[in-house]
Amino acid sequence: GENVEQHPSTLSVQEGDSAVIKCTYSDSASNYFPWYKQELGKGPQLIIDIRSNVGEKKDQRIAVTLNKTAKHFSLHITETQPEDSAVYFCAASKVRNQFYFGTGTSLTVIP
Amino acid sequence: DAMVIQNPRYQVTQFGKPVTLSCSQTLNHNVMYWYQQKSSQAPKLLFHYYDKDFNNEADTPDNFQSRRPNTSFCFLDIRSPGLGDAAMYLCATREGRGTDTQYFGPGTRLTVL
Repeated sequence: GENVEQHPSTLSVQEGDSAVIKCTYSDSASNYFPWYKQELGKGPQLIIDIRSNVGEKKDQRIAVTLNKTAKHFSLHITETQPEDSAVYFCAASKVRNQFYFGTGTSLTVIP
Repeated sequence: DAMVIQNPRYQVTQFGKPVTLSCSQTLNHNVMYWYQQKSSQAPKLLFHYYDKDFNNEADTPDNFQSRRPNTSFCFLDIRSPGLGDAAMYLCATREGRGTDTQYFGPGTRLTVL
């Protein structure tokens, strides 16, 4: 099965700085890579996703890059704000009935 | 408006006492998933329904069962909860073929005494 690794497990940045979270996956057939934000006591919420036919996608302050050859993808958050503080999960999917999650990154944005 | 609703949000049960968690959706999605998320860990898929077609993950314990009586509702039954089953249980939906996005509910936190 698929194995998704995520780094770092914790990340602290100053408000206004950028944050980068990286994930690697093992199954070259995986073709869909969502990123979720989970706030305390809530379910994960999709913030951005990318499909394997695209190398980069951007939505305002959030961007995701995908390197299929190296089998890794990254989340980039620019101009971080305190409300960006949460746990972020990456995931990989080959068939949409199965999603494999990374172990999460706890992001703290220091005001 | 809430699209994926989970009840209750917090559930306390006793060791060995059966418990049922509920999920409902207003999205009319074909696919419904149940995940288990233990503290500081990634969500782990237990099973999913595509319409009425039930799909169990190979490593999901027999102690966990599910029912989907109609499109809107899906239940997670834990027949004999153990201390190791204490976790957040997340329900998610997906429209179906040709779509990728999962929508998660807020979760039910289960405590086993």
